[in-house]
Parts: sequence; structure tokens; C-alpha cells
Amino acid sequence: DAGVTQSPTHLIKTRGQHVTLRCSPISGHKSVSWYQQVLGQGPQFIFQYYEKEERGRGNFPDRFSARQFPNYSSELNVNALLLGDSALYLCASSLDRANQPQHFGDGTRLSIL
Amino acid sequence: GENVEQHPSTLSVQEGDSAVIKCTYSDSASNYFPWYKQELGKGPQLIIDIRSNVGEKKDQRIAVTLNKTAKHFSLHITETQPEDSAVYFCAASKGDKIIFGKGTRLHILP
Repeated sequence: DAGVTQSPTHLIKTRGQHVTLRCSPISGHKSVSWYQQVLGQGPQFIFQYYEKEERGRGNFPDRFSARQFPNYSSELNVNALLLGDSALYLCASSLDRANQPQHFGDGTRLSIL
Repeated sequence: GENVEQHPSTLSVQEGDSAVIKCTYSDSASNYFPWYKQELGKGPQLIIDIRSNVGEKKDQRIAVTLNKTAKHFSLHITETQPEDSAVYFCAASKGDKIIFGKGTRLHILP
């Protein structure tokens, strides 16, 4: 069975641009969460979506937004990119939102020049 | 909010020996504690998890213990092998977001 898939794997942008990252969950999983991982740190929670609604938000500015589609795939959008947004962006899926094991994709490596 | 502290940041053990990684959490409402292994260029891989109504869980060479009173939990890897070399993260959750520790880089020495 396919795991969590993310695209693209790598992306280079310049300051001020906008980026959209995509995630397809494991088949049957209805919850998708997004995390940011900077080098040498653990992943930091950005959003959780369940049944197409936002169910949790981390301490990130409004430049970060996301949505979940009827097929449970998800997009993370980041506007007005800053150098500090350079990181690995991870998507995780789980059966539902309440303390179910979250399974991660391999992430999108975003570099801001 | 929840804060997860993880020690040590780096750990080197001889192949075949045991490795222990310790974590503490701050929010007594946290009730789910997963452990992840992350290899270079990959996303975190769930290796074991424990819920607050259980004190210990074992899966082959990996075991996790939880002390709710002291708010700490530990990962034990026995008979370490070269493929155990990776970064390990502990985490805590109370229903939605998972809060991660900063990670332990485990080196298995030949």
C-alpha cells in the first residue's frame, strides 16, 4: 500500500514569492497534519485538518494556510516567503484526529534564496 | 502549552549494547506518546507508541516505559544493530497536534 506522498520533493523560491505544497494521505486516512522541520530540530505543528475542516493550528503567522479536499488530500500554502521559511515541510496522515498514530511522508525541502 | 524535553542529544553505543533515550513532558493532560525514527533524507517513521493507561510496551528489541506521575517516558533499544543509527524523536499529544522533542542522534559503533 502507498504511504503518504508529498510533492514536490524539492523547491527553490525567492523572498516574497508564494508556494503551494501537496500531500496525499494513506488510503482510508481522513486526517492530515502539516509540520515544519528546520535543520537539527524536531517537527513543529502547523495545521491539522479532518473531514475538510481545520481542527488545530500551531503558532505560525497568517502567511501559512492550508485546505483539505473531498478526497482527503491537502495543500499547504505559504505567502510572502521569508528566508526563515526554509525548512523541510512534512505531511502526516492518520485515520482520524484523536490520538491516532500519524504516519509521515518524506517531506518537501523548501529553500528560500 | 506542552513542552517536551529529550536527552541526550547525541548517543554513541557499541553494536550489541543497549541504548536508552529519556524524555519529559509538561502537560499532565497529554495521553499519547509516540516515538519516531528519522533517517537522512526521509520523514519520521513511527516505531512504537504508548498511551497513558499503559506503563510499558515492547515490540521485539524496542520498549517504551511511561511514568505518568513523574511525567517522563523512555525508549529502550536492546541488542543494537548498525541499522539502528538514526535520529530518534519522542513526542507527546493530547488529541490533536503532536509536540516533538529536539531529537537524539544515535550512533552505533562497530
